[in-house]
Amino acid sequence: AQSVAQPEDQVNVAEGNPLTVKCTYSVSGNPYLFWYVQYPNRGLQFLLKYITGDNLVKGSYGFEAEFNKSQTSFHLKKPSALVSDSALYFCAVRDLSFSGGYNKLIFGAGTRLAVHP
Amino acid sequence: NAGVTQTPKFQVLKTGQSMTLQCAQDMNHEYMSWYRQDPGMGLRLIHYSVGAGITDQGEVPNGYNVSRSTTEDFPLRLLSAAPSQTSVYFCASSYDRGPLYEQYFGPGTRLTVT
Repeated sequence: AQSVAQPEDQVNVAEGNPLTVKCTYSVSGNPYLFWYVQYPNRGLQFLLKYITGDNLVKGSYGFEAEFNKSQTSFHLKKPSALVSDSALYFCAVRDLSFSGGYNKLIFGAGTRLAVHP
Repeated sequence: NAGVTQTPKFQVLKTGQSMTLQCAQDMNHEYMSWYRQDPGMGLRLIHYSVGAGITDQGEVPNGYNVSRSTTEDFPLRLLSAAPSQTSVYFCASSYDRGPLYEQYFGPGTRLTVT
């Protein structure tokens, strides 16, 4: 079965330090991977995606993610965290087994990022 | 553009009551969907639509109905609410179905069924 795992419920980082939010996936085929962020009382916002090509993907707000096929991972990173980055982050993979005509995503459970001043 | 809007923001229902969650988008997107978000779980797809007049089931459709009479609107109906439907509901839209096109989400409706 296809799945996405985010092994950390919460990540705590000091402002100015680098941050990593981990994601691993399991799909049968080439993965299409996404990161979304959810700020309090808001809907999910798209950050970045990996479809094909360069393993390092750059996205919004200075975030980037590294696709590692051998480790089946797609970790989200940022060189210098801001307090305003504090939010809930979701990793998602396109469900390749879904036969309907829709880009159905399988979401991870989410990781809460807390950036402390 | 307002993007994807949802009403109401919060709702409390008693078991057995019915209600409709509203969703509208002003981006002329053909594809729209409803997800539910439960604690410790990712979002799960309830129903989706690939255009006006066309809807289909997602992975957790039981207890919910949808219709799509216009491109802009995609309401979600709970026919007889149950406590298991306590959740946060998100509507989303996208320009196309391919993975190149990201989904835009509304702010959500927090529903409690007592």
